[in-house]
Amino acid sequence: DTAVSQTPKYLVTQMGNDKSIKCEQNLGHDTMYWYKQDSKKFLKIMFSYNNKELIINETVPNRFSPKSPDKAHLNLHINSLELGDSAVYFCASSQDPGTANTEAFFGQGTRLTVV
Amino acid sequence: DAKTTQPNSMESNEEEPVHLPCNHSTISGTDYIHWYRQLPSQGPEYVIHGLTSNVNNRMASLAIAEDRKSSTLILHRATLRDAAVYYCILRRGSTLGRLYFGRGTQLTVWP
Repeated sequence: DTAVSQTPKYLVTQMGNDKSIKCEQNLGHDTMYWYKQDSKKFLKIMFSYNNKELIINETVPNRFSPKSPDKAHLNLHINSLELGDSAVYFCASSQDPGTANTEAFFGQGTRLTVV
Repeated sequence: DAKTTQPNSMESNEEEPVHLPCNHSTISGTDYIHWYRQLPSQGPEYVIHGLTSNVNNRMASLAIAEDRKSSTLILHRATLRDAAVYYCILRRGSTLGRLYFGRGTQLTVWP
C-alpha cells in the first residue's frame, strides 16, 4: 500500500499550457509538501501545507498554485508553463511539523517536461 | 539554516561496511541530524535520525560525535541496492518540517 502517491508519473506538455499534478497520502499526516528537483539533481522545497492551510511558500512564482481539498491531498497546479519548469516534482508528508523529531515520506515523483 | 558538508562521492564493495561522513560545525543544540537517501529514479527515502546519542535501526546506524559537529552514517553490509545519493540534513522545529537538501554523497557499490 503506497504511502504517498503522485499522478501522473510522467507529464510532457507544451510551453504556455496549464497542468496539474496530484498527490495523496494515506499516512494520516497533517502536513504535506512539494519539492522540485532540477536537472542538476538539486532538491528544493517549494511549499508546505498543514491541515489544508499554506504555511510556507519558498518564493515560488505565483504561476504555481498548490491546492489542498483535504489534509490527505495536495495538488500542484502550474499555469503558463515555461521551459524552466521542467523538473521532477516530489510530494511529501510528515507529522508534527513543529518538531524536528519526525521523518518525511516522499512520493515517487512526477517528471515534467515542457517542450 | 545550519549547513552540512559531505564528500561528493564514495565507493564500496558489496558486503563491506560503509561509513558516510557529514560535518555540521554550526549545528545548534536543538538541531536533529537526519539522513535520507535517494535511489535512482525514486523519491528520497528516510534512513535514520538522531539528536545526541548513537542510533540504530534496521537500515543503518548513526554515530554522532560528542561535540555534535560531525556524524557518520554506517551501512553495516553494503548491497547493490544501497547505491544512492545520501543526504545529511539538519532539522529544527522552526523549519516546520521543511528539509533543506545539499548535494549529498553519491555512493557507488561494486559487486
